[in-house]
Amino acid sequence: DIVMTQSPLSLPVTPGESASISCRSSQGLLYTNAYNYVDWYLQKPGQSPQLLIYLASNRASGVPDRFSGSGSGTNFTLKISRVEAEDVGVYYCMQALQTPLTFGQGTRLEIK
Amino acid sequence: VHLVESGGVVVRPGGSLRLTCAASGFDFGDYTMHWVRQAPGKGLEWVSLISWDGSRTDYAASVRGRFIISRDNSKNSLFLQLNSLRSEDAAFYYCAKDISPFQMLSNFDSWGQGTLVTVSS
Repeated sequence: DIVMTQSPLSLPVTPGESASISCRSSQGLLYTNAYNYVDWYLQKPGQSPQLLIYLASNRASGVPDRFSGSGSGTNFTLKISRVEAEDVGVYYCMQALQTPLTFGQGTRLEIK
Repeated sequence: VHLVESGGVVVRPGGSLRLTCAASGFDFGDYTMHWVRQAPGKGLEWVSLISWDGSRTDYAASVRGRFIISRDNSKNSLFLQLNSLRSEDAAFYYCAKDISPFQMLSNFDSWGQGTLVTVSS
């Protein structure tokens, strides 16, 4: 199974500042079609997860452009510019290259 | 897009139950569907997938041989049959929709609100 490792696990951020979350996979996630099969999800308190980024760098419908994804191979980053109070929650990366699909442990973003 | 799970109950170890996900707002029969679970206070765990036409299914090793995923496209419904339940199966179970039709990209662009399965004697 592909292991996804996120860091940090806790991320206190001042509103208006930027934040980055790292995700490292135990195997490369680059497929022959040149896409990296990694997604980012946000689970806000008391809610179901929501898709933020798919295929490493594509923003899902309705996601603010403050959110961006980057990386290739085994190292990926989610960046949130100008953090807002509504961004609090737990962020998960997930590899979609092969089953079993696997998630990172989650990164809890909180507002300072 | 609207996904509504139901069927979560308290069940004894070794017991069985069937979860249902009612879908609306999209062409259900065109999309691969998934089940993802989350134990209370824990992270996300992918459980199972079924292709748009039901021809392909796959499972996490932790549930293979005990859980069965199925769908009824005529009723816009997804199912998960849970058998031989263990304490570690206790979780919120979410159904989730794949982002693109007739593919298995496994990017979940819509999720239900979840249904809680409790395993306790």
